[in-house]
Amino acid sequence: DQQVKQNSPSLSVQEGRISILNCDYTNSMFDYFLWYKKYPAEGPTFLISISSIKDKNEDGRFTVFLNKSAKHLSLHIVPSQPGDSAVYFCAASSGTYKYIFGTGTRLKVLA
Amino acid sequence: NAGVTQTPKFQVLKTGQSMTLQCAQDMNHEYMSWYRQDPGMGLRLIHYSVGAGITDQGEVPNGYNVSRSTTEDFPLRLLSAAPSQTSVYFCASSEGAGETQYFGPGTRLLVL
Repeated sequence: DQQVKQNSPSLSVQEGRISILNCDYTNSMFDYFLWYKKYPAEGPTFLISISSIKDKNEDGRFTVFLNKSAKHLSLHIVPSQPGDSAVYFCAASSGTYKYIFGTGTRLKVLA
Repeated sequence: NAGVTQTPKFQVLKTGQSMTLQCAQDMNHEYMSWYRQDPGMGLRLIHYSVGAGITDQGEVPNGYNVSRSTTEDFPLRLLSAAPSQTSVYFCASSEGAGETQYFGPGTRLLVL
């Protein structure tokens, strides 16, 4: 049973437009959510996070939205740049040491 | 400040061989973990440690051993490698529970 799901394996977006990456979760005990970005042959790098007491968190071009009632979070990238092309993972934690990761979405930003 | 380092970058093993994947961090983080990444599976937690001398199992612990004798190091041991352990292995560390994890560059393992 996959507790964190990223149902879109891939996404293509034109440069300058908005990229929206989605993530759904099933465990209502999750209270901390993170997005990671991964380039080929590198480890994941932390991008942005949100705790369950918020519904939005912004950092520059990146915004994460959390809808607790729908158990859904999304990452918005505006404007998208070719350097944003990577695999994006969402992850969730229930305040413990265990993080559950989604399967990732490969974003391709077209110049 | 090197962050999280992993060695080797790439390794080929024959079935039945043993090896240790090394992981070290210089951020004085208490929490360290090992993940494997397989196509279509995301990152799955193998083992984790909440401090020196304390380890616990994650989602996919079978075939792997860990120990944590110091805060800095968290090696992952494959006692008898199997082709199913072909994967990319990532080590990560964080300050504590629910905190942001920082990942190493990964070790690509091929078991023939």
